[in-house]
Amino acid sequence: DGGITQSPKYLFRKEGQNVTLSCEQNLNHDAMYWYRQDPGQGLRLIYYSQIVNDFQKGDIAEGYSVSREKKESFPLTVTSAQKNPTAFYLCASSADSHYEQYFGPGTRLTVT
Amino acid sequence: GDSVTQMEGPVTLSEEAFLTINCTYTATGYPSLFWYVQYPGEGLQLLLKATKADDKGSNKGFEATYRKETTSFHLEKGSVQVSDSAVYFCALSASNTGNQFYFGTGTSLTVIP
Repeated sequence: DGGITQSPKYLFRKEGQNVTLSCEQNLNHDAMYWYRQDPGQGLRLIYYSQIVNDFQKGDIAEGYSVSREKKESFPLTVTSAQKNPTAFYLCASSADSHYEQYFGPGTRLTVT
Repeated sequence: GDSVTQMEGPVTLSEEAFLTINCTYTATGYPSLFWYVQYPGEGLQLLLKATKADDKGSNKGFEATYRKETTSFHLEKGSVQVSDSAVYFCALSASNTGNQFYFGTGTSLTVIP
């Protein structure tokens, strides 16, 4: 089955620790995205990548970092510099930046 | 710049009622338009899409027509079910270069028996 996997579904960390969220896709899509969603809110774009070894900041990149070493993988690191990291994180991919995006199930990160 | 505006929620309907969720867009080119649905605690799922003016997207009883003259893409369903309770997002993919995918703020729908 083709799709996007995110792991883990729930993640708990102490303040001051970096944490990496996994996103893998087997759809052979070139473009991948990370969004943040807060309760009752819409999606905010953190980072996106249109091709391997290239990525761009989105609207709220501060305190986050990404890498795109493989086409199928786009991990997101939430660093200790992110002031308010507790949120629901969604990864998505698309064949091209103009086509529909397909989403993973999300990771809920709680930092205390 | 390009953007999507959708109606504020939350929306509460009785089962079998008619649903309309309004979505209007602003775009400089010829965008593609999408509706996504998000069930509690899950990612977004593509519900339907339309890629050019006058196209009608449809899926699972939901429909939306791409209206260029009114720059709208309203979501409709003739008879909602409890299982339709979710958050619905309108989205736009711009036709110019770069990453240009815009989401609306989402409309929460609750259907009561």
